[in-house]
Amino acid sequence: AQSVTQLDSHVSVSEGTPVLLRCNYSSSYSPSLFWYVQHPNKGLQLLLKYTSAATLVKGINGFEAEFKKSETSFHLTKPSAHMSDAAEYFCVVTLSGTYKYIFGTGTRLKVLA
Amino acid sequence: GAGVSQSPSNKVTEKGKDVELRCDPISGHTALYWYRQSLGQGLEFLIYFQGNSAPDKSGLPSDRFSAERTGGSVSTLTIQRTQQEDSAVYLCASSLSTPYGSSGNTIYFGEGSWLTVV
Repeated sequence: AQSVTQLDSHVSVSEGTPVLLRCNYSSSYSPSLFWYVQHPNKGLQLLLKYTSAATLVKGINGFEAEFKKSETSFHLTKPSAHMSDAAEYFCVVTLSGTYKYIFGTGTRLKVLA
Repeated sequence: GAGVSQSPSNKVTEKGKDVELRCDPISGHTALYWYRQSLGQGLEFLIYFQGNSAPDKSGLPSDRFSAERTGGSVSTLTIQRTQQEDSAVYLCASSLSTPYGSSGNTIYFGEGSWLTVV
């Protein structure tokens, strides 16, 4: 069965410092993986996705994520946090041949001035 | 349309009343999803449509909840006899679909319908 675990429910960083949001997945076969961002009172916006091409995926707003099969991880990173990055981030896994998208419980990122 | 459109954006209703939430997916997207997000919580899957059919309704919380989709496009989520615990954001999403399912395809979300039951 597929599952996804976001290891931190809350992360606080200072503006200008690196961001690391952790995601581990469980899947029997090659998954597709996504990161979405949700700003307050807004819908979810796609940041980036991995679908078995390059393992390092670059997304919007300077975010990137690396697919590590050996560690079953898909952590989201950004070299330098900006105040506008404060939001909730969701890691999502889906399995080829199915319609199910499994969402993590979310990580709330706080950026301190 | 350019994106997934949901209406109403906000709805306050009295306990016991029925509500209808509408979703207009991206043109050409055959897969449509409804999710619920309660305050401070993650996303709860409600129902999946492929065209006008709903092969998976397993997430609907009770028989007060129903959904339909017509013309392979617009979907309506109906909540009958609303309860306070129904207060949440209801998110609709759509994606392209392949013979192998929708996986790997990006799902695009609307802004949500914020329901408050008083």
